Order: sequence, then structure tokens, then C-alpha cells
Amino acid sequence: DAGVTQSPTHLIKTRGQQVTLRCSPKSGHDTVSWYQQALGQGPQFIFQYYEEEERQRGNFPDRFSGHQFPNYSSELNVNALLLGDSALYLCASSWRTGGPSPLHFGNGTRLTVT
Amino acid sequence: DQQVKQNSPSLSVQEGRISILNCDYTNSMFDYFLWYKKYPAEGPTFLISISSIKDKNEDGRFTVFLNKSAKHLSLHIVPSQPGDSAVYFCAASAGGTSYGKLTFGQGTILTVHP
Repeated sequence: DAGVTQSPTHLIKTRGQQVTLRCSPKSGHDTVSWYQQALGQGPQFIFQYYEEEERQRGNFPDRFSGHQFPNYSSELNVNALLLGDSALYLCASSWRTGGPSPLHFGNGTRLTVT
Repeated sequence: DQQVKQNSPSLSVQEGRISILNCDYTNSMFDYFLWYKKYPAEGPTFLISISSIKDKNEDGRFTVFLNKSAKHLSLHIVPSQPGDSAVYFCAASAGGTSYGKLTFGQGTILTVHP
């Protein structure tokens, strides 16, 4: 049973560039959430996708956008990269049961902006 | 505004003894609480959760206690093992569609010495 998979594992970009990160949810899951984890901090919620639409959004600028595909996989796009965007980006998936259930996380993509 | 706080950055425990990790929250709307464990270069792994209708939940060596009046939860690990050494995050979410949105604490580094 495949868990949450993310690609790439590491990425180095230059300030001002754009980046796309990818995520495949755990088998049987239909909801994908994205988190940003800065060094020494807990993960921070970026947004959540369900039925190919953004359902909730955290306190992140419009430079952060996403997409969910019919097979439930998802992409996170960041435009006009800033040095402060350097972080570990985590994807999490769950089954939208209407009740509380734990999120399952991938191993993340480490983004470095120089 | 840090809605979920883990005030101890680190904890050191002897193998076989109890580890107690603490977490405080301020948002009264939170009704679902989780603990995650994170090893370097891996994503957070779900450990245990508790709904606000309960005050205790057990799973093997792990027990989570919730004190709603104090807005405090704790994770007890008994007995502690060297393999438990990791960063532990508590997280919380509000009800309904917000269950996919977790608010994390800053994490506590647990070191279990043989």
C-alpha cells in the first residue's frame, strides 16, 4: 500500500523563479493538503484540495497556488520565489469522511532558494 | 499568534522511563488533537489522536491526555525506547471542513538514552 509520495526530494532555485512540486496521495485518499515547514518550526498550513478545488487556505500570498487532478494527485506552484520560501514542503492526504481523521504525510520536498 | 505551543524545545529521558511531552493551545474551537513524530529527512508520522469528547486515549505505549479546561494536552510514552528519539509535534484542528487544516506546535526534541 503506497503512502504519500512527493517529487522531487530536493530542489534548488534562484530568487524570482517559479517552482512546481508534486504529490500523489495515499491509496484510497481523496483530499490533499500542503504545508510549509521552516527550519526549527512546526509545519504551517498552505491550502487543501478536494474534488479538484481549493477548499481552505492558510495565511500565504497568492504567489502560492495549487491544483488537484482527477486522480487526486496535486501540484503546488510558487511564483516569484523569495529567499524566505526556502523550506521543507510537505504534502498530506486524508479521506474526507466528514469527521476527524489523521493526515498522512509524505517525506517532503526540500526547496532552497538562492 | 501561536495558537498551539510546545514550551519545551527538548527532553532527555533514560531508556525504560516515562517520557511526558506537553502542549498548550489557545483556540477554543479546536476539538481534535494529534501527536506526530518526525525523524530527520522523513515526513511527520501520525502517532495518536484524541477528540475533545474524551480526556484520554491509549495506543500501546502511547497515551494522550486532554484537559479542556486548562487547554492542555500531554503525550506519555511508557516505557521509552531509544528508537523513540525524534521530534514530536502536537497539532490541533477545528470541526467540520477544517479537519484537514492542522495547526502545529514548534516541536519537542525527545532523546532517549540507552
